[in-house]
Amino acid sequence: AQSVTQLGSHVSVSEGALVLLRCNYSSSVPPYLFWYVQYPNQGLQLLLKYTTGATLVKGINGFEAEFKKSETSFHLTKPSAHMSDAAEYFCAVSGGGGSYIPTFGRGTSLIVHP
Amino acid sequence: DAGITQSPRHKVTETGTPVTLRCHQTENHRYMYWYRQDPGHGLRLIHYSYGVKDTDKGEVSDGYSVSRSKTEDFLLTLESATSSQTSVYFCAISERGNTEAFFGQGTRLTVV
Repeated sequence: AQSVTQLGSHVSVSEGALVLLRCNYSSSVPPYLFWYVQYPNQGLQLLLKYTTGATLVKGINGFEAEFKKSETSFHLTKPSAHMSDAAEYFCAVSGGGGSYIPTFGRGTSLIVHP
Repeated sequence: DAGITQSPRHKVTETGTPVTLRCHQTENHRYMYWYRQDPGHGLRLIHYSYGVKDTDKGEVSDGYSVSRSKTEDFLLTLESATSSQTSVYFCAISERGNTEAFFGQGTRLTVV
């Protein structure tokens, strides 16, 4: 079965600093990969996705992620954090030789300090 | 925003009672999912549907059942609620299994 691991349940950064949220997947075949964001008391919304093609994927709100097959990683980055980026972030995987039903990581809470 | 409505949004119920949560979509998407969200566990799949009357179990299906009699509605039933089922429940939809999912606002269920 496919799985996804998010390193760090909490990540704390200062406003204006680089944001790096880590995601690794287990799959022998490149899967479809997604990052979602959840603001308090809301459902999840898609930030970006990788299916095929360009390995650097740009999403909404200045976020981007790079698919690295050799490292089985799909880390999420943003050059400069904003207070409004404080939220829960989830990495998800589907396909990759396993089920096409999305499997989610445990989430990383991003804390942004003024 | 994708048209997904969950009802109720909040519910408090007693141990041992049956509870039904409803998910309604207006997008005509084939796939519908029920997840539960708990601190430290992220989102875990309870059941999913890939068409009318076509459903399958997820990783935490014990104590839950589902039904989908129409494309737009996916019901989640807790047959006899327990305190361990206190959680936030999310419905999601997708066109296909490998496309992005769109989520409802969630239902906060408390079992006392």
